[in-house]
Amino acid sequence: AQSVSQHNHHVILSEAASLELGCNYSYGGTVNLFWYVQYPGQHLQLLLKYFSGDPLVKGIKGFEAEFIKSKFSFNLRKPSVQWSDTAEYFCAVIGRGSYIPTFGRGTSLIVHP
Amino acid sequence: NAGVMQNPRHLVRRRGQEARLRCSPMKGHSHVYWYRQLPEEGLKFMVYLQKENIIDESGMPKERFSAEFPKEGPSILRIQQVVRGDSAAYFCASSPQEGADETQYFGPGTRLLVL
Repeated sequence: AQSVSQHNHHVILSEAASLELGCNYSYGGTVNLFWYVQYPGQHLQLLLKYFSGDPLVKGIKGFEAEFIKSKFSFNLRKPSVQWSDTAEYFCAVIGRGSYIPTFGRGTSLIVHP
Repeated sequence: NAGVMQNPRHLVRRRGQEARLRCSPMKGHSHVYWYRQLPEEGLKFMVYLQKENIIDESGMPKERFSAEFPKEGPSILRIQQVVRGDSAAYFCASSPQEGADETQYFGPGTRLLVL
């Protein structure tokens, strides 16, 4: 069975600080990886995804994530956060041959001015 | 191109009543997924449907919950005799095809509150 672990449940940063949110997964085969963002009261929006190729993936709003296969990780990064980045961030994994994503429990990010 | 639509956005029910949640997938999408999100938890898969077929309902509670995706109209998630523990956000997602390479697009969710 696949599982996803997001170690940071709550992160508080000042504007312009750098961000890195951890995501580790457990799965015995090839995976597709996703980061979603959920702004307060809104639905999940796709930030970025990795299926194959360059392990450094660029997403929307200046976010990027790096797939490190040896570490089973897919950490999300942004060099300089803004107040508008305040949201819940969810990492998700789909094992090849499956269609059901497994979500991490999420990281709540608060960016204060 | 309209995104995934869900209604109602908020639903309040008393214990024992029925809740019906609707989801219209994106245009051209024939695959629908339902998820439940409890406070401070990630999304949990409930059921995967194609038109007129339930493909995978391994995440659905065995009792009181049912889902359908008729040939015409939206997908419906139905919860009979609701209890307080059913209070959660229910999200629908759609994709054009089956498979891990297909990104799922999420709707705005229905927030169910059971009094």
